Amino acid sequence: SYELTQPPSVSVSPGQTASITCSGDKLGNKYSCWYQQKPGQSPVLVIYQDSKRPSGIPERFSGANSGNTATLTISGTQAMDEADYYCQAWDSSSVVFGGGTKLTVL
Amino acid sequence: EVHLLESGGGLVQPGGSQRLSCAASGFTFSSYAMTWVRQAPGKGLEWVSGISDSGGDTYYADSVKGRFTISRDNSKNTLYMQMNSLRAEDTAVYYCAKRDCTGGVCYFQYWGQGTLVTVSS
Repeated sequence: SYELTQPPSVSVSPGQTASITCSGDKLGNKYSCWYQQKPGQSPVLVIYQDSKRPSGIPERFSGANSGNTATLTISGTQAMDEADYYCQAWDSSSVVFGGGTKLTVL
Repeated sequence: EVHLLESGGGLVQPGGSQRLSCAASGFTFSSYAMTWVRQAPGKGLEWVSGISDSGGDTYYADSVKGRFTISRDNSKNTLYMQMNSLRAEDTAVYYCAKRDCTGGVCYFQYWGQGTLVTVSS
């Protein structure tokens, strides 16, 4: 079965750029999404179709996908961005999530 | 405004059954595929099952295949998950989500608040 691998944790200082990676075999040939989840809340879609932002998602969130790696980039990271982030792709008709990355802003 | 409200969670004994519901509003329910995603305590997101807009096509994760059944009633704008032969490892918050697609690329923009299922004796 298809697998997506994320680093368990990433740390960033306020105002700096955070990058979270998601690796999978030929992931660049699929479309990726990213979800943000804060404690006790439901996931929120922040990036779809590799690099598109849903309405209401700040411009500081961006995405890219090439080769075996999709990347979520948060520019000018703010304290409110501290959360778990999950990548997601499709494997035929099945949905695959990465294991999640805890972003700490300190 | 899209709204998804799950219900039916609770405490169930190992080997028991539970049925979850997801009441949808704010969109034409019968035009959209839906999915269930779960999250065990302190763990990541795990896709459980999906169903087409008509209900004619269903998909399951290997971990629940043969035990869980997804269905929908488009006349009631409601999604269901019948869970049988429950195990301790099925303990999780279960979310329903609406599948949106743009140019053939699909994603989940709308999620419910989740319902907790605890499997324990």
